[in-house]
Amino acid sequence: AQTVTQSQPEMSVQEAETVTLSCTYDTSESDYYLFWYKQPPSRQMILVIRQEAYKQQNATENRFSVNFQKAAKSFSLKISDSQLGDAAMYFCALILNTDKLIFGTGTRLQVFP
Amino acid sequence: EAGVTQSPTHLIKTRGQQATLRCSPISGHTSVYWYQQALGLGLQFLLWYDEGEERNRGNFPPRFSGRQFPNYSSELNVNALELEDSALYLCASSLAGRYNQPQHFGDGTRLSIL
Repeated sequence: AQTVTQSQPEMSVQEAETVTLSCTYDTSESDYYLFWYKQPPSRQMILVIRQEAYKQQNATENRFSVNFQKAAKSFSLKISDSQLGDAAMYFCALILNTDKLIFGTGTRLQVFP
Repeated sequence: EAGVTQSPTHLIKTRGQQATLRCSPISGHTSVYWYQQALGLGLQFLLWYDEGEERNRGNFPPRFSGRQFPNYSSELNVNALELEDSALYLCASSLAGRYNQPQHFGDGTRLSIL
């Protein structure tokens, strides 16, 4: 069975600082994609960043970057220069070629001014 | 471009009733996914529809069902509602047959069972 684990229920960071959210996963498949989604209080899930499993290079989207360690099945999200608008629930997700998206339980990020 | 739209925003039912939730995908998307987000449990995959057919199903009882219409919009039906069905139900859409494409989510329907 495939699983996604986010071991940090809550994290906090000061504005302009850097924070890293952890995610580990388990799958026997070799072909998959990993995503980080953000869910602000408005409820809508917003894609933050995605990573192809076959690519060794870590994905980057502006202030968001990932540290993808395939052998360790680890996929952490780094947010640099944190902003108040980054406060949200962050979900790590794994998708297989069955189109089934498996989510972690989320990490609530608070950003303090 | 309009995003994924879901209706109603909030739905209040009592135990034993039936609920119907609706979703309109982004134009050009033919795959629709349904997820249940219960408090403290993260998102659980419910159903995946593509080209009008059910392609995959999560670990939910048969009273959770749905369908996809020719215009690719979708309905989720929940029969014989139970208290534990109270949750946020999210719909997402993506390009067909492209599992590497990101799923775009709607704002959800909050289902409350009294």
